[in-house]
Amino acid sequence: NAGVTQTPKFRVLKTGQSMTLLCAQDMNHEYMYWYRQDPGMGLRLIHYSVGEGTTAKGEVPDGYNVSRLKKQNFLLGLESAAPSQTSVYFCASSYFGGSTGELFFGEGSRLTVL
Amino acid sequence: DAKTTQPNSMESNEEEPVHLPCNHSTISGTDYIHWYRQLPSQGPEYVIHGLTSNVNNRMASLAIAEDRKSSTLILHRATLRDAAVYYCILRGGGGSEKLVFGKGTKLTVNP
Repeated sequence: NAGVTQTPKFRVLKTGQSMTLLCAQDMNHEYMYWYRQDPGMGLRLIHYSVGEGTTAKGEVPDGYNVSRLKKQNFLLGLESAAPSQTSVYFCASSYFGGSTGELFFGEGSRLTVL
Repeated sequence: DAKTTQPNSMESNEEEPVHLPCNHSTISGTDYIHWYRQLPSQGPEYVIHGLTSNVNNRMASLAIAEDRKSSTLILHRATLRDAAVYYCILRGGGGSEKLVFGKGTKLTVNP
């Protein structure tokens, strides 16, 4: 059982390039989330999804797009990368929403934008 | 979104109990209190959650104030492996999944 898998784990981009981060979970979870974490900071929610075909904005959605075409996958896209998007990105999933569901996190994807 | 307030850092000695506080004065009646921790260079992991009553599991205990405006995560015997950033978050029953993490408390455990 792999849990939550993020691809790629490391990536270096030049300003203006685009890329997609893939989050895959094999736990049949309905809810999925993308967070970013800057050095010495906590997690900030970028976008989230409460089911296949749905997405919603989090705290810091600007500059990112997401898609949830399949229940097990949640994609985070950067159309035109900027140095301010240098960060570690974490994906999480949850079976139950609402009050009680436990979040399962991936190991993170470290992105550097030059 | 309901907010939580935690101290930036705390220190403890190995094998001693640790009490990590969290204030959530704007908590609503349906909000659950969740705790996660993040070990260095890893993703966060679930620790414990509760609504009103104190909760225990193999990792920790959660003590919730009677008015629910604060809670305390208790590690009964800290080990070096417990050194991490601990996050207290509120997860609401109103259907909002906009789960907001603060900066958490960085726990240092001294040998």
